[in-house]
Amino acid sequence: SQQGEEDPQALSIQEGENATMNCSYKTSINNLQWYRQNSGRGLVHLILIRSNEREKHSGRLRVTLDTSKKSSSLLITASRAADTASYFCATDGAGTALIFGKGTTLSVSS
Amino acid sequence: DAMVIQNPRYQVTQFGKPVTLSCSQTLNHNVMYWYQQKSSQAPKLLFHYYDKDFNNEADTPDNFQSRRPNTSFCFLDIRSPGLGDAAMYLCATSRDTLPHEQYFGPGTRLTVT
Repeated sequence: SQQGEEDPQALSIQEGENATMNCSYKTSINNLQWYRQNSGRGLVHLILIRSNEREKHSGRLRVTLDTSKKSSSLLITASRAADTASYFCATDGAGTALIFGKGTTLSVSS
Repeated sequence: DAMVIQNPRYQVTQFGKPVTLSCSQTLNHNVMYWYQQKSSQAPKLLFHYYDKDFNNEADTPDNFQSRRPNTSFCFLDIRSPGLGDAAMYLCATSRDTLPHEQYFGPGTRLTVT
């Protein structure tokens, strides 16, 4: 069963704008990860936030985690056409397995 | 560079004809995963190996099997592919310690005719 649910399912913005994606999950977690997938390719790990962290930054990425609401958000600032991709949140399931959400498809137009 | 390699990138097979997809890694990770991803959907875990211990997801069809002859290689066998098995198949690896960050291969796109 899916743990993470992203919102919105699709997002279209102009270059230079910020993009915000949200993820909700159901059970307690050790960490939450965000992955990017370009069309027809494998997933690439973007950023991880541990359950005892509230915010994390990596370049133009900012992730927040609210364990009381079981939700996370991914902010991409000053978006570029190259950011066009699908973005998935993933939470740790049983053992080492990850459970992926349905993803947000981001389209950045120039 | 350390990486996860999948071959072939594109595979066409006939309905009912067995097919094998391969994955290799140079990361020396002891956990390897196989995911199925259909168009516009999230990756769905089929099974994973913790070293040589095989872990099958409850809803993975019996038509899907896997082999891991050594740390570096893992194979996905589809015994009798149906039209519904057409998908992208993703291999991933991770360490067995937290935070379980996964490293993905580029995927194999399977077409069933």
